[in-house]
Amino acid sequence: DGGITQSPKYLFRKEGQNVTLSCEQNLNHDAMYWYRQDPGQGLRLIYYSQIVNDFQKGDIAEGYSVSREKKESFPLTVTSAQKNPTAFYLCASVGWGLLNQPQHFGDGTRLSIL
Amino acid sequence: AQTVTQSQPEMSVQEAETVTLSCTYDTSESDYYLFWYKQPPSRQMILVIRQEAYKQQNATENRFSVNFQKAAKSFSLKISDSQLGDAAMYFCAYRSANGGGADGLTFGKGTHLIIQP
Repeated sequence: DGGITQSPKYLFRKEGQNVTLSCEQNLNHDAMYWYRQDPGQGLRLIYYSQIVNDFQKGDIAEGYSVSREKKESFPLTVTSAQKNPTAFYLCASVGWGLLNQPQHFGDGTRLSIL
Repeated sequence: AQTVTQSQPEMSVQEAETVTLSCTYDTSESDYYLFWYKQPPSRQMILVIRQEAYKQQNATENRFSVNFQKAAKSFSLKISDSQLGDAAMYFCAYRSANGGGADGLTFGKGTHLIIQP
């Protein structure tokens, strides 16, 4: 079945440590996205990529980095510069040119501080 | 920048009754897309319904329908014959039609819907 796979489901970060969240899709979608969800808040856009080797900052990109070396993969690194990384992270994708199509979401990764 | 406002943090409805969730948005664009997503306790994001701004007809999907008022920038969700499985967080989301439609979504803060048996 086609879909988006996020791993791991739970992740713990120590002080000063960088951690990487994985997002893989087999939907042949061009555009991929990372969102952060905090309690009482909606999802907020961190980064997005419309094509391979290109990506743009979203509303809350500080303390995060991404890469898009392959169409199916869009990993998110939470760096030590992100002082409040505890949140639920969701990856999404959509096909290029499918303007009225919704984004498909993965099941998310919950990141906590040790 | 666009903003999406959901003014009801929590709503409660009796099973089998009808409930309406409110959403307003602010944009200077004329062409865009609006979505309602459901997030149950499993945290999955599930599409409920979508609306293209250029379409005057309100979208419907079985028990779910929207009241789209473009001039008022309002996009409310009506759930008819509420069922226990409808209990979840509901998010309203906006996407610009510019940039090939590949821009990210702008979400409201959500409405927690409780279904009373």
